[in-house]
Amino acid sequence: IAGITQAPTSQILAAGRRMTLRCTQDMRHNAMYWYRQDLGLGLRLIHYSNTAGTTGKGEVPDGYSVSRANTDDFPLTLASAVPSQTSVYFCASSDRTNTGELFFGEGSRLTVL
Amino acid sequence: GQNIDQPTEMTATEGAIVQINCTYQTSGFNGLFWYQQHAGEAPTFLSYNVLDGLEEKGRFSSFLSRSKGYSYLLLKELQMKDSASYLCAVMDSNYQLIWGAGTKLIIKP
Repeated sequence: IAGITQAPTSQILAAGRRMTLRCTQDMRHNAMYWYRQDLGLGLRLIHYSNTAGTTGKGEVPDGYSVSRANTDDFPLTLASAVPSQTSVYFCASSDRTNTGELFFGEGSRLTVL
Repeated sequence: GQNIDQPTEMTATEGAIVQINCTYQTSGFNGLFWYQQHAGEAPTFLSYNVLDGLEEKGRFSSFLSRSKGYSYLLLKELQMKDSASYLCAVMDSNYQLIWGAGTKLIIKP
């Protein structure tokens, strides 16, 4: 089934640990995004990539890093997790840049204790 | 600053019509988007407005007034499966999406 796959679905993590959230898409979309969703707040962009080999910072990039070695994969790494990074993380993609029509993965629920 | 406002929660009856409003203040405007998000699931794209007026798509319609910084999503013939959160997002002059916190719609039989 075409779409975006995220892993893990859910994870509990001790503060200070390193964590990588995986995101893979098979739609050959150029642009990919990582958002976090917190109760009472709108989706906030963490990092994005307009094409393989390039990345950019979003609204809330601190404490997170990304890489885009190829078109399909866009992992998000928390180098040293903190409790404020407890959230639901969504990976998304679009077939072109400068569009608001995004395709989202099912999300990764992360709890940092 | 940039801001998107929508009601936190709304309740409606199965078979009825509901209108979910969204007002925005952004640095420029390059389109307004509505998404549906069922609890515990991913947001899915519903509609896109860039010009003033009404866009109809089946039971769902979306309206935009750029001069008023206002949009609404109209859902007709409500079904229980329409119970979800509805997210309003605006693309600003830098082509960044600004998201509202979402409106949780509860449908009662």
